Amino acid sequence: AQKVTQAQTEISVVEKEDVTLDCVYETRDTTYYLFWYKQPPSGELVFLIRRNSFDEQNEISGRYSWNFQKSTSSFNFTITASQVVDSAVYFCALSEEGSSNTGKLIFGQGTTLQVKP
Amino acid sequence: AAGVIQSPRHLIKEKRETATLKCYPIPRHDTVYWYQQGPGQDPQFLISFYEKMQSDKGSIPDRFSAQQFSDYHSELNMSSLELGDSALYFCASSSRQLAGEVDTQYFGPGTRLTVL
Repeated sequence: AQKVTQAQTEISVVEKEDVTLDCVYETRDTTYYLFWYKQPPSGELVFLIRRNSFDEQNEISGRYSWNFQKSTSSFNFTITASQVVDSAVYFCALSEEGSSNTGKLIFGQGTTLQVKP
Repeated sequence: AAGVIQSPRHLIKEKRETATLKCYPIPRHDTVYWYQQGPGQDPQFLISFYEKMQSDKGSIPDRFSAQQFSDYHSELNMSSLELGDSALYFCASSSRQLAGEVDTQYFGPGTRLTVL
């Protein structure tokens, strides 16, 4: 069965601190996709990154970086020099590929990040 | 760039009433997904359509039905509304690139349904 766990329910940091959001997943498929979405207080879900299971290269986008480690089934997200605008709920999600693939996303419980000025 | 459009953005209904939520996917996207997000919860998959055919079904109550039309827009119909149906309903769209490959889902702004 597929499952995504975000053990950190809430994280509070002061602006300019670095913060890492953890994501651990479970799947029996050898091919799968991992995602991160941001949900700011306004409520929309904003796509941040998509990673397939064969691409373990870490990615950096501005202040955001992602560390994918298949050996530990983790896909962690780091924000460097956090800003107040980063305050949001962050969701990690998993989708499996296969003959019955329909692309549905399985979300983790979300981590609420509060960045204080 | 065009995004997913959902209407209405807010909806208030009484118990036992019906509601219809509409979703207009990103142009040239052939797949639509519906998710329900309760207060403080993560989004839960309800149902999806690919090329106007239902492709998957999640934890969607029998009181709910949905369809995708020839212009690819989708509607989620909810009947006999209950207090527990109060939630944020998201529609997402994607483009299936290759058989079996999972593309990124782009979400609409959501419809906030309140059942009184």
